[in-house]
Amino acid sequence: DAKTTQPPSMDCAEGRAANLPCNHSTISGNEYVYWYRQIHSQGPQYIIHGLKNNETNEMASLIITEDRKSSTLILPHATLRDTAVYYCIVSNWNNFNKFYFGSGTKLNVKP
Amino acid sequence: KAGVTQTPRYLIKTRGQQVTLSCSPISGHRSVSWYQQTPGQGLQFLFEYFSETQRNKGNFPGRFSGRQFSNSRSEMNVSTLELGDSALYLCASSLAQNRNYGYTFGSGTRLTVV
Repeated sequence: DAKTTQPPSMDCAEGRAANLPCNHSTISGNEYVYWYRQIHSQGPQYIIHGLKNNETNEMASLIITEDRKSSTLILPHATLRDTAVYYCIVSNWNNFNKFYFGSGTKLNVKP
Repeated sequence: KAGVTQTPRYLIKTRGQQVTLSCSPISGHRSVSWYQQTPGQGLQFLFEYFSETQRNKGNFPGRFSGRQFSNSRSEMNVSTLELGDSALYLCASSLAQNRNYGYTFGSGTRLTVV
């Protein structure tokens, strides 16, 4: 019952910014937006999360629109090692341990 | 510090058998969740444990069960294995009340049912 919509795949040139969009038009007021990525055959890796303010950490930036119906994950300088499937998840804090992973976006970083 | 450890990494079982998978969370993490990943269904939530109690359960048949021990280590069991149970089983742990780091996943156990 994924509540998010992501493009199935995207390409990005190495060294350029990768902007991964996510639509979550039915998000409710107490739901957070989480981003994870999964490199082939490994467990998903936490990237970032936010409620309504933009967030930045050492890996990425998260931009959430004012109406919270969509967000964008930004990898400022993509490398070949960033090639992975990126998942956008929305979850109520009380239920945050039960994530619904959608199909994600396969990001292909090319040299 | 050590991450989430899942054992074994690979497992081959025959239809009808049962299997037990183990997960050791990051030290201090009290919440452990299990997920099944298949090419057709993607990542699906199985269940979540906190302080030895199951708090959440996904839509899986009763053949899938789990438990958590007092040291937060967790096991999941699948009885009467079917071919469709072949999957990557992932365990994840968190501090449960920590809003800053989300979940940390292990590398998974690859189960093949023949």
